[in-house]
Amino acid sequence: AQTVTQSQPEMSVQEAETVTLSCTYDTSENNYYLFWYKQPPSRQMILVIRQEAYKQQNATENRFSVNFQKAAKSFSLKISDSQLGDTAMYFCAFMKLTSGTYKYIFGTGTRLKVLA
Amino acid sequence: EAGVVQSPRYKIIEKKQPVAFWCNPISGHNTLYWYRQNLGQGPELLIRYENEEAVDDSQLPKDRFSAERLKGVDSTLKIQPAELGDSAVYLCASSFDRGNTEAFFGQGTRLTVV
Repeated sequence: AQTVTQSQPEMSVQEAETVTLSCTYDTSENNYYLFWYKQPPSRQMILVIRQEAYKQQNATENRFSVNFQKAAKSFSLKISDSQLGDTAMYFCAFMKLTSGTYKYIFGTGTRLKVLA
Repeated sequence: EAGVVQSPRYKIIEKKQPVAFWCNPISGHNTLYWYRQNLGQGPELLIRYENEEAVDDSQLPKDRFSAERLKGVDSTLKIQPAELGDSAVYLCASSFDRGNTEAFFGQGTRLTVV
């Protein structure tokens, strides 16, 4: 069975600084997707960034980038120039093809607080 | 375009009472998910629909939970009777179809069973 581990329950960062959130996963699959989702107090999960396992190039979305190490099964999220609006829970998620469609497996989350 | 709409946003019930949650996915999205998120945890899948067919309900506690997605559009998740351990946030998500990996989430229903 696949598992996703986020070892940092809480983190804080000063506004405009850079922070890295860690995620490791365990799978025997070769083809899968990895995601970072943001969940603000409104509870709505918002996709931050996505990485296809077959791509060696790390995904980037504006201030958000990932460090994908497939052999090490590591998928960290780097947030540059942190903003107060980045304060939220961040969930790492794994997805593989199951029965013709996709199923997310989420980690336990990291609570990020950006300090003014 | 409207996102995934869920109602109610909050619900407080006494144990042994029934409760129902409603979800309206994004128009045209064929895949619909119900997730349960316990406090301090990540969401866990309860059931997944492809149109009106439940293709994965292996995590749904079928003795008290039921779900339906008539006509393959909106969906209802029901608990009867509710237990104290059912207190959680129930999230609905949808995606366009199989092979489309991005799911869009609603704001969830926070259920408190007292």
